[in-house]
Amino acid sequence: EVVMTQSPLSLAVTLGQPASISCKSSQSLVHRGGNTYLNWFQQRPGQSPRRLIYQVSNRDSGVPDRFTGSGSGTDFTLKISRVEAEDIGVYYCMQGTIWPPITFGQGTRLEIK
Amino acid sequence: EVQLVESGGGSVQPGGSLRLSCVASGFTFTNYWMTWIRLAPGKGLEWVANIKEDGTERHYVDSVKGRFTISRDNAENSVYLQMNSLRVEDTAVYFCARHRYASHWGQGALVTVSS
Repeated sequence: EVVMTQSPLSLAVTLGQPASISCKSSQSLVHRGGNTYLNWFQQRPGQSPRRLIYQVSNRDSGVPDRFTGSGSGTDFTLKISRVEAEDIGVYYCMQGTIWPPITFGQGTRLEIK
Repeated sequence: EVQLVESGGGSVQPGGSLRLSCVASGFTFTNYWMTWIRLAPGKGLEWVANIKEDGTERHYVDSVKGRFTISRDNAENSVYLQMNSLRVEDTAVYFCARHRYASHWGQGALVTVSS
């Protein structure tokens, strides 16, 4: 099983400032076909999770361009260029390269300072 | 617009059973794997099971193998999760999601297992 480790687990950011979340996998997430199936999700309070980023760096439809995914191999990052109030919630990385099982990180709680 | 609507949640005693349903609309159901993911109180997201477009492949997290069964009815645009021998630790909100990589999610169904 691929273990996904996120850091930090909690993050307090001033409005308008950047935020960064790290996600490290216990094995390389490069699929033999060449793609890397690393996704990022956001769960706002009281809402269902929503996918933000797929295959490391592709934003889903409707996701603001202040969200950027990057990384390769075993190290990945989600960056928010300027945090807004609507960004509070819990963020998860998820790998779908080596499965079953598909595995998630523990989650990172983002709050406003 | 993609819509996924879960139903069938509720409260049950340990050892009991529940069947969750998820009705999909707004996309060609037969083109997608479907997935169940859960969120237990105070914990993170956990992938539970998924099923291939034609139902010929099904995969489960180890903790539910032999107790849960995922199935689908492509004529009804629906995916199901039959949960037997439920345990207290199965208490969670269960989400239905489109695709192996959860591009779209339902609103969730709460399952509470308690004596």
